[in-house]
Amino acid sequence: DTAVSQTPKYLVTQMGNDKSIKCEQNLGHDTMYWYKQDSKKFLKIMFSYNNKELIINETVPNRFSPKSPDKAHLNLHINSLELGDSAVYFCASSQGGTGGWETQYFGPGTRLLVL
Amino acid sequence: DQQVKQNSPSLSVQEGRISILNCDYTNSMFDYFLWYKKYPAEGPTFLISISSIKDKNEDGRFTVFLNKSAKHLSLHIVPSQPGDSAVYFCAATRNQFYFGTGTSLTVIP
Repeated sequence: DTAVSQTPKYLVTQMGNDKSIKCEQNLGHDTMYWYKQDSKKFLKIMFSYNNKELIINETVPNRFSPKSPDKAHLNLHINSLELGDSAVYFCASSQGGTGGWETQYFGPGTRLLVL
Repeated sequence: DQQVKQNSPSLSVQEGRISILNCDYTNSMFDYFLWYKKYPAEGPTFLISISSIKDKNEDGRFTVFLNKSAKHLSLHIVPSQPGDSAVYFCAATRNQFYFGTGTSLTVIP
């Protein structure tokens, strides 16, 4: 069973649309993250979230919003998509912490292309 | 199933000594491998990479070795410095990225 899964794997959409990327983890972790990889190499943290606290990277536009229906899911909603949003988005999870020294499990990534 | 594995969650090394971080993978089709370094509360930052056609790549104090027959990747840091203390992720890719779970390195002054 996949530990951290993301859907869809590929997403092609028009500028101005609203889209969501889903993330699910079956590890029982209580902290989840969203990262944006906007070149072939660099990952930027967008959000970290546990049951108590949402930590937002201030550089993330407010068109991006995480939504957690339950502890096992952290979905990423993006409103009014722009060309610059094209990237690979990774979800991750960990037990405890907020992106510190704990082991993180990454999902396979979602490739978003905005036309 | 984890296609990229880092079996050591943590490692402690004295300053000035060599740090060796290991990574194993299962898919022989991977054609590019990367190491990322991550500080707390930040996203992973790219450190060094290697193509599957090479067996070694060096950048300053950092050297990555690739053993394709063993499906094994390692990162050597020489000499280790306290500022190297971080979590190190390895990743492999062909059409998509697969990350290991990270090894927390502590360099003791």
